[in-house]
Amino acid sequence: NAGVTQTPKFQVLKTGQSMTLQCAQDMNHEYMSWYRQDPGMGLRLIHYSVGAGITDQGEVPNGYNVSRSTTEDFPLRLLSAAPSQTSVYFCASSWGALNTEAFFGQGTRLTVV
Amino acid sequence: DAKTTQPPSMDCAEGRAANLPCNHSTISGNEYVYWYRQIHSQGPQYIIHGLKNNETNEMASLIITEDRKSSTLILPHATLRDTAVYYCIVREDNYGQNFVFGPGTRLSVLP
Repeated sequence: NAGVTQTPKFQVLKTGQSMTLQCAQDMNHEYMSWYRQDPGMGLRLIHYSVGAGITDQGEVPNGYNVSRSTTEDFPLRLLSAAPSQTSVYFCASSWGALNTEAFFGQGTRLTVV
Repeated sequence: DAKTTQPPSMDCAEGRAANLPCNHSTISGNEYVYWYRQIHSQGPQYIIHGLKNNETNEMASLIITEDRKSSTLILPHATLRDTAVYYCIVREDNYGQNFVFGPGTRLSVLP
C-alpha cells in the first residue's frame, strides 16, 4: 500500500515552460487536493476534487489547472511557469468530507528560474 | 485566512509532556478540530482530530474546551523526534478537503 505518491520529487523549470506534477493514491479515496508551501509558511490550497470529474478552486488557483479523470490520479498542470511558482507542492487524499484524516504525499520541490 | 491562532514557537524538555494550545473562537457547530505536524520539509502527518469530546490515540491527546473555542494537543512524553511544526486546523467547509494551514507552532524538544 503506497498511499499518496507524488512525482517527480524535484524539478527545475525555466520561466515559461509547462509541466505536470503527478499525484496518485491507491486507497480509493474520493477527495484529493493540491497545496503549495512557501518557505516559512503554512500550506495553501490550490485546487481540490471531491470525486472523479469534479474539481474546484482553492485559495491560490491562478496559474494552475487540474483534472480528475480517475479516482486514483489528480495531476496539477503549470501552463507557463513563473518564478513565483517556486515552492514545495503537496498532494493529499481522504475518504470523504468531515471526520476523516487526509493523507499527504512527500512533496515535489519545484524551482522556476 | 486560518481560523486558528497558535503560538509561533515552544520548547519542551525531552520526556516531559508537551502541551500545544490553539484558539479557534469562531468555530461553528459542525466544524472539527484537526492537528497535523510537519517534520522538516516532509508531507504533513495526521495526529488527531475531534469535534467536542476529548480524544486520545497512540500519538497524542486532544482536549477541547466545553465552549469549543480552544483546544490543547498533548504529547505525553515528548522525544527529540517530536520536534516539528504543529498545525491546528478547523475544517472550513462541509465537504471537500479545505484544510487551511496557518503558520503553526514550531515545537523544539530539548535534550
